[in-house]
Parts: sequence; C-alpha cells; structure tokens
Amino acid sequence: DAGITQSPRHKVTETGTPVTLRCHQTENHRYMYWYRQDPGHGLRLIHYSYGVKDTDKGEVSDGYSVSRSKTEDFLLTLESATSSQTSVYFCAISERGQGDGNQPQHFGDGTRLSIL
Amino acid sequence: GENVEQHPSTLSVQEGDSAVIKCTYSDSASNYFPWYKQELGKGPQLIIDIRSNVGEKKDQRIAVTLNKTAKHFSLHITETQPEDSAVYFCAASPRTSSASKIIFGSGTRLSIRP
Repeated sequence: DAGITQSPRHKVTETGTPVTLRCHQTENHRYMYWYRQDPGHGLRLIHYSYGVKDTDKGEVSDGYSVSRSKTEDFLLTLESATSSQTSVYFCAISERGQGDGNQPQHFGDGTRLSIL
Repeated sequence: GENVEQHPSTLSVQEGDSAVIKCTYSDSASNYFPWYKQELGKGPQLIIDIRSNVGEKKDQRIAVTLNKTAKHFSLHITETQPEDSAVYFCAASPRTSSASKIIFGSGTRLSIRP
C-alpha cells in the first residue's frame, strides 16, 4: 500500500468553525490531491498540488483552501465549515500528473467529517 | 469538460458468475481509464487501468475493454468470489494539459450472492 496517512480519521464539528485535514505521504510523489465523496457523486476533485507551494482548483473548490509547505504534507482547510461540507474526504498521490504520462493515483483511507 | 457515466449503480450476481460494469465518457481527448475498487471504510484501490492505444487488458479474473469510437469502456470480472463484493468506480483522464483532471463515475455497488 502507498504510504499515505490522513488525519484525523473522524471529526465532528459545528457550523462556522474552521477545520483542517492533513494528508501525509512517505512516497516523495510530486502530485497530491484532495477529493470529497458523497453518495451518487463518486469522487470529486477539490484541489490539487503539483509541487511545494504550487496548487490549483478542482471542480468543487468553493469554501476550501489548501497549502503545501513541504513535499510530504498537503493540508485542506475549511475556513468556516457548513453542513453541505459534511462528507468523506480522500487524499491521493501520484508520481506525475495525468496530463503528463497518466500515472495512477493512490488513495488514503479517508477522513469522515460531520458538520452539525 | 469530461463527464463519466457508470451503469448499473447496483449489481448482484451469483458466486462464480461474471459481472460487467459499463462506463461512457464524453471527452474524446481522454486517454487513460483506471478502475478502482473501494471496500467499506477504505479508500479506493486501483485494480486495473487501460490507455487509449490498447483495446483490452486482462489481469487474472479482471479484464477491461475500451471502445474509443463509441467512447465507452467496461470492466469484466469472471468467476466472481465473495471478496469481489465492493463498490467499483470507473474514471477517465484527458490528456489536455499538465493539470491532473481525473473524472470519476458515480460507482457500482457489486454484491456476490453465495
């Protein structure tokens, strides 16, 4: 299994509070991604990173920000959580971007986030 | 942008029978098609992938076929076993830029009846 650790694995918080999820990898892969998974929607890309301090938006980026200060860590922040952000969040990594050789993505085991 | 549709949403087959999951994609520039298996409480795990220069790929009991003209691809699982029960996702990735845009289907819940 790819060395990907997501923390926390479960979190319950209240509307309006800030939340930060962490993804840590030991593979030294260049690319990292954050997805959310909701019933009937599969996985949808929130943000991704193609290097330290280099990030870009995915298809559902509103309400989320990310940071990558070092290769191994990719943080996802909900500045002011809303109930619509209740979801399961997955981090993924890949050696190269899919537009440059289509290398597969490998996923962590997710963070279940509930916003009350 | 790319859109991936996946059918059926649920599938129940007798142990030992075959299972087929079908996906269609909209962007003719897509050239990479991975399939993921997700077990309860786990992240998606890559089980097989195919690139657009190949029409079929097999790995033991799993095979994937790709029809670029019709823009559809399928996952075939033969001799199904109880451990094949899971949610399966197809995905498509366009080779239009260096940005990583993998688009997932909505998933198929496969149940294997003993």
